[in-house]
Amino acid sequence: DAGITQSPRHKVTETGTPVTLRCHQTENHRYMYWYRQDPGHGLRLIHYSYGVKDTDKGEVSDGYSVSRSKTEDFLLTLESATSSQTSVYFCAISENGRITGELFFGEGSRLTVL
Amino acid sequence: KQEVTQIPAALSVPEGENLVLNCSFTDSAIYNLQWFRQDPGKGLTSLLLIQSSQREQTSGRLNASLDKSSGRSTLYIAASQPGDSATYLCAVRDQGGSEKLVFGKGTKLTVNP
Repeated sequence: DAGITQSPRHKVTETGTPVTLRCHQTENHRYMYWYRQDPGHGLRLIHYSYGVKDTDKGEVSDGYSVSRSKTEDFLLTLESATSSQTSVYFCAISENGRITGELFFGEGSRLTVL
Repeated sequence: KQEVTQIPAALSVPEGENLVLNCSFTDSAIYNLQWFRQDPGKGLTSLLLIQSSQREQTSGRLNASLDKSSGRSTLYIAASQPGDSATYLCAVRDQGGSEKLVFGKGTKLTVNP
């Protein structure tokens, strides 16, 4: 158990509204990631963080922003949600303090944008 | 561009059977490869991580092998049980050791009692 908690676990929202998903970890891992999982596309990296206030884009970052003001929390924000952002979002951490370490995932946040 | 393929997409076996799941990748210059299982509605659970310098890793009834030159990894499950039913995913990290992990689309395994 890598001590990763995601909230909310389920959310339904309307197009154009802002949404923030939270990832909380209890073990002081340096690297944190946000992925989305969609049928036919598999898992794709949205953004990742390598420390407090240090973040970078992944392959599908358009429409998303992130923030990390504390080591334990990594927030994913959809400024204006669209139906194409309906997905399951997973937070992950790398063990061993290295970006190449073994990945461990949270339970996911299922977002539906109507 | 690295591509990861898992065939078959679905597999159904009787309980007790030994089975092999396949993962192939197009660029052999990898840093490591990780196998996961995912239960319906759940997150991914890490099973095994194989570094590029390793040939195999074992954990309980699971054995993962890596053949970089042929671009293949296999996950061997011994004496399968209904509790092994899940989707199994492999993911490859390129040799540069970056943040980018390329995932396959998974093999959905059903073990019938």
